[in-house]
This record gives sequence, C-alpha cells and structure tokens, in this order.
Amino acid sequence: GQNIDQPTEMTATEGAIVQINCTYQTSGFNGLFWYQQHAGEAPTFLSYNVLDGLEEKGRFSSFLSRSKGYSYLLLKELQMKDSASYLCAALDSNYQLIWGAGTKLIIKP
Amino acid sequence: DADVTQTPRNRITKTGKRIMLECSQTKGHDRMYWYRQDPGLGLRLIYYSFDVKDINKGEISDGYSVSRQAQAKFSLSLESAIPNQTALYFCATSDQTGDVETQYFGPGTRLLVL
Repeated sequence: GQNIDQPTEMTATEGAIVQINCTYQTSGFNGLFWYQQHAGEAPTFLSYNVLDGLEEKGRFSSFLSRSKGYSYLLLKELQMKDSASYLCAALDSNYQLIWGAGTKLIIKP
Repeated sequence: DADVTQTPRNRITKTGKRIMLECSQTKGHDRMYWYRQDPGLGLRLIYYSFDVKDINKGEISDGYSVSRQAQAKFSLSLESAIPNQTALYFCATSDQTGDVETQYFGPGTRLLVL
C-alpha cells in the first residue's frame, strides 16, 4: 500500500531551527511536496523536490533522498506565525498526491 | 478576490438529506479536485477532473458525486448524507509549471451531518 509517515506534533522555540521528517512509500514516485496549513485555513504550497538534495527558499529548506524514501522540511529563525500544520505529500506513478496526516508545529516564545 | 472559492463555508444538515458543495475558480486551471480532511488523517481525494468532459473517482468516492459544469466550476454532491461524512471539504485546482504541478486550495467547507 501507499503510505506517508510524519510526526503528529512537534514543539520548538521562537528563533530556533526545527526539522520535520517525512517518509513515504508509494507506487512510483514523481516528487515530494510540502504544504503549510494554519488552523482552520486552506493548505498553501511551500516546496517541491523531485531530485535528491536540498532546496532552499528563504527561511525554509526541503531535502529529498529518493533511495531512502525520505524528506525533511527545515525551518530556520522560527517565528510565532510559523505555528501551523505541515503536510507532506508524495506524487505517485499516476500523478496522484498521497498525503500525510500532517505535523502540528507549536512555537513557544 | 480569492482565486478559489467554496460555498457554503459552513453547513449543518441531517442524515438522509441531499446537499451540494460548490467550488469556483478564476485561475483558469483545467484540473480541479475535491478532498476531505478529517482529524488525524491526511487529505483524501474524493473526485478529480482534468477538464470539463473528464471525471475520475478518487480514493473515497462512495457516497459522493460530482459535476463539472464549466472549466471554472466543480460541484460535489452528497446524495444522502450520513454522519461519517462530517468533515472539512476542500476544493483545489492545479496547473503545471515546468515539472511542478502545484495545487491551490479553496478555503474549505465545514460540514456537520447530524
């Protein structure tokens, strides 16, 4: 079966760095997405990786290892507004997105 | 104005009632999707449409139907609502830029079935 695993909840301190991990098992693979979702709001696109390596975009970076079926989202210089859920999603061989349940990130002052 | 809109934003209905959730987009995208989101679960795909004449079942289509009235409109119907269809429903559109197909979500519809 197809499966996405990510931690349910994480806590971090304002100004610090946090890494949110995601492992995936899909039938075929055409890329890995990260979305941010604030409580009660729609998910919004953060990043896309299809090749191995690190993609940096401001305070957010995303890493992919296709051989390990593994990705992480790295958030630097955490701000209170980063408190949200972070959704990992893998694109399978049929170009369907398989979604993880999301990681709720709590930022403390 | 929002690019992807959903109506209603909140809805309470009773078991057995037929209801329709509507989605409109001004992004000009051909591809549209309906998802449901439940606490502790990932987004689950109900139906998707790649153009006006194309409708496809997703992971959990039982109990739902859709209509793609135009490129900009994609509606989801619950023919006979049941309590386990209580969820947050999202409509999404997508386009392809290079190798990336990014989905854009509407604000969601909270549905409670009593």
